[in-house]
Amino acid sequence: GAGVSQSPRYKVTKRGQDVALRCDPISGHVSLYWYRQALGQGPEFLTYFNYEAQQDKSGLPNDRFSAERPEGSISTLTIQRTEQRDSAMYRCASSPRNRANTGELFFGEGSRLTVL
Amino acid sequence: GQQVMQIPQYQHVQEGEDFTTYCNSSTTLSNIQWYKQRPGGHPVFLIQLVKSGEVKKQKRLTFQFGEAKKNSSLHITATQTTDVGTYFCAGPGSGGSNYKLTFGKGTLLTVNP
Repeated sequence: GAGVSQSPRYKVTKRGQDVALRCDPISGHVSLYWYRQALGQGPEFLTYFNYEAQQDKSGLPNDRFSAERPEGSISTLTIQRTEQRDSAMYRCASSPRNRANTGELFFGEGSRLTVL
Repeated sequence: GQQVMQIPQYQHVQEGEDFTTYCNSSTTLSNIQWYKQRPGGHPVFLIQLVKSGEVKKQKRLTFQFGEAKKNSSLHITATQTTDVGTYFCAGPGSGGSNYKLTFGKGTLLTVNP
């Protein structure tokens, strides 16, 4: 497809379970971001990849959160031992620009995570 | 850390009225971006402003970047129901963190037809 694709769109899980959220960016986009958006709030930065290198993970809330982009394309955000406070919309975004030049972000539709 | 603040948080207008949202950063920005998020949708890029004092127009939308590059505004003339949504401003980090956008909380615009 032409846009950023995320799956699953909705995920309901029980507390303590692990979840993996997938992002397929626009083909050829160098930069990939994960953001988290709470209801009524703006997107909050989690982590940034330049090609396959994770260059900034300062926004990940704790060590239960991890992300990878092994081949510089598809990325997975993994949350281990989920807690209710992890419930949110997780958004992936990509950009054709590298880290030296900010430019528009193309956001996916997001993955809505609900932890019971 | 960098903070980006937007006011108002909500704005309800009658169709045809004008609307303005304001964005203020705690730090000087190299540029500022604006996004629109329709209800149930995802943020969509509107524009990027780079120069001090810059003004850009997109049809009924007028974007301004302050002289000190710490504030910005979005003005919509004669709102339409299609303008409904949340408008976010976002500023990049400084120095080597310019890839990291910090978003404001947004202004939710509702339009009464």
